[in-house]
Amino acid sequence: EAQVTQNPRYLITVTGKKLTVTCSQNMNHEYMSWYRQDPGLGLRQIYYSMNVEVTDKGDVPEGYKVSRKEKRNFPLILESPSPNQTSLYFCASSLSDNVYGYTFGSGTRLTVV
Amino acid sequence: SQQGEEDPQALSIQEGENATMNCSYKTSINNLQWYRQNSGRGLVHLILIRSNEREKHSGRLRVTLDTSKKSSSLLITASRAADTASYFCATDARGGGGADGLTFGKGTHLIIQP
Repeated sequence: EAQVTQNPRYLITVTGKKLTVTCSQNMNHEYMSWYRQDPGLGLRQIYYSMNVEVTDKGDVPEGYKVSRKEKRNFPLILESPSPNQTSLYFCASSLSDNVYGYTFGSGTRLTVV
Repeated sequence: SQQGEEDPQALSIQEGENATMNCSYKTSINNLQWYRQNSGRGLVHLILIRSNEREKHSGRLRVTLDTSKKSSSLLITASRAADTASYFCATDARGGGGADGLTFGKGTHLIIQP
């Protein structure tokens, strides 16, 4: 089944403890991205990647890092999480020409205390 | 930056009625897409309309695009209880100078009353 897999689904952590949210897709998509969703603010793009070893900032990149060493994986790294990063996070992927839309993962609900 | 803005923010209708949601955006786009999200779940792609298209159909969905007014509408005909969800429009403006990727509106929450 074609899908984007995120792990974990739920995570509660403490301020300052580094964490990684993994994202993997099995559709050979070139493009991958991370979004966060907050009440009243909708979805906002954190980082995106056009292909392997090519990443760029989205609208809200502060406090996040990403890497794209393989085409299928696009992990989101929070080096020192803070409570304002408590949010619902989504990974998404698409073909480079985006003619069929994005495929989203099921989401990761992160709480930073 | 938020580009798409959906209207209304919330909509409640009876099962069997048609539901119409609107989306406005600000800059030139390559395409516009509509997504559905059930509570707390991932977004599901519904339909994509290119900037040179004016109307597109998929099952009970009908999407229109007016690039001169920078607006789009999503019509769901013969609504069902299972259509209860939040609906988002998203614009793809790759190559337009801003960050590549989709820019989402804040969504319309649709409730279908049985």
